[in-house]
Amino acid sequence: GAGVSQSPRYKVAKRGQDVALRCDPISGHVSLFWYQQALGQGPEFLTYFQNEAQLDKSGLPSDRFFAERPEGSVSTLKIQRTQQEDSAVYLCASSLITGGFLHFGNGTRLTVT
Amino acid sequence: EDQVTQSPEALRLQEGESSSLNCSYTVSGLRGLFWYRQDPGKGPEFLFTLYSAGEEKEKERLKATLTKKESFLHITAPKPEDSATYLCAVQAGIQGAQKLVFGQGTRLTINP
Repeated sequence: GAGVSQSPRYKVAKRGQDVALRCDPISGHVSLFWYQQALGQGPEFLTYFQNEAQLDKSGLPSDRFFAERPEGSVSTLKIQRTQQEDSAVYLCASSLITGGFLHFGNGTRLTVT
Repeated sequence: EDQVTQSPEALRLQEGESSSLNCSYTVSGLRGLFWYRQDPGKGPEFLFTLYSAGEEKEKERLKATLTKKESFLHITAPKPEDSATYLCAVQAGIQGAQKLVFGQGTRLTINP
């Protein structure tokens, strides 16, 4: 595809529900990142994959957050038992090489009611 | 802990009125400083990477510069289409640490 694709574009969940957010990176991109962006703030790092290996998950805020990239391409960010403080835009980004600049998707806006 | 602070938070300019955005950083071992542009409802779009003090890069009406403590994004004779939030981010620390630490952004509005 032409860019990083994220789905769904918008997600409304009731508190306590589980959600799954999908990211399709640019084909052939080795590195994949997830960021969380609260309203009016800059993105905050959640986790990083190089191919299928999750090399850094230091930004995941709790054990309710889980990410995977089983075949080194598509990635899923899962949030269990959602809380209101999880409401944010979740951005996925990929890069062709390790250390290269990031191409971002347009994000999934999650609202927890 | 690595920190990035951007100022001002918001800036309104008239078309053609040049100005600068500031990004101050405190990191252990800077490996790269990045500027991104973000339009409402979109993901950040890459503009520049700077690696060492004294480096400068230009693209159309934008020029980014870097010192040991801060970076500036200079905008010359801006147009309304330059209105966006400009984000600064740093990559720092040990080789292999890939995450970017972002500032909170400067929301720039150019009035026609």
